[in-house]
Amino acid sequence: AQKVTQAQTEISVVEKEDVTLDCVYETRDTTYYLFWYKQPPSGELVFLIRRNSFDEQNEISGRYSWNFQKSTSSFNFTITASQVVDSAVYFCALLTGTASKLTFGTGTRLQVTL
Amino acid sequence: GAGVSQSPSNKVTEKGKDVELRCDPISGHTALYWYRQSLGQGLEFLIYFQGNSAPDKSGLPSDRFSAERTGGSVSTLTIQRTQQEDSAVYLCASSTEIGQAYEQYFGPGTRLTVT
Repeated sequence: AQKVTQAQTEISVVEKEDVTLDCVYETRDTTYYLFWYKQPPSGELVFLIRRNSFDEQNEISGRYSWNFQKSTSSFNFTITASQVVDSAVYFCALLTGTASKLTFGTGTRLQVTL
Repeated sequence: GAGVSQSPSNKVTEKGKDVELRCDPISGHTALYWYRQSLGQGLEFLIYFQGNSAPDKSGLPSDRFSAERTGGSVSTLTIQRTQQEDSAVYLCASSTEIGQAYEQYFGPGTRLTVT
């Protein structure tokens, strides 16, 4: 069975602080994809990144970066110099070779204040 | 281009009534998914379509839930004899194809409230 754990329910930071959102996954499949989605107050899930299980290179996109470590089954997401517009719920998700459905974590609510 | 659209955006219904929720996927996307987001259960998968067929219905909570897709495009999720525990946001997503390599693009959701 697939499982995604986001242990941080809610994080509050002051603008310009760096923040890391943790994601730990479980799967017996050797081929799988990991995703991060952002859900702002408007409610629509916004795709941020997809990473396959064979590519452990870290990725950076502007202020966002992702650290994928198979050894610890983690796919953590860091926002550098956070901004108020980053306030949202962030979901980590897993999609494996035996299914076409996304298995989501419970989400981490990020609150960035001035 | 146009994203995934869902209607209605909000639906309030009385317990026991039937409701229909509609999803218009991104044009050309062959795969369509329904998810449900509720406070108690988080984001959970309901059903997906490849074209007009639904190979995996394992996520439907009960036989009161059904879904269909016609013409490889629009999909309707129907809930019969609604119960209060059906209150949730119902999200639709589409992707180019079925499979891991294709990200799913989500619509804004339909917020269903059963009174």
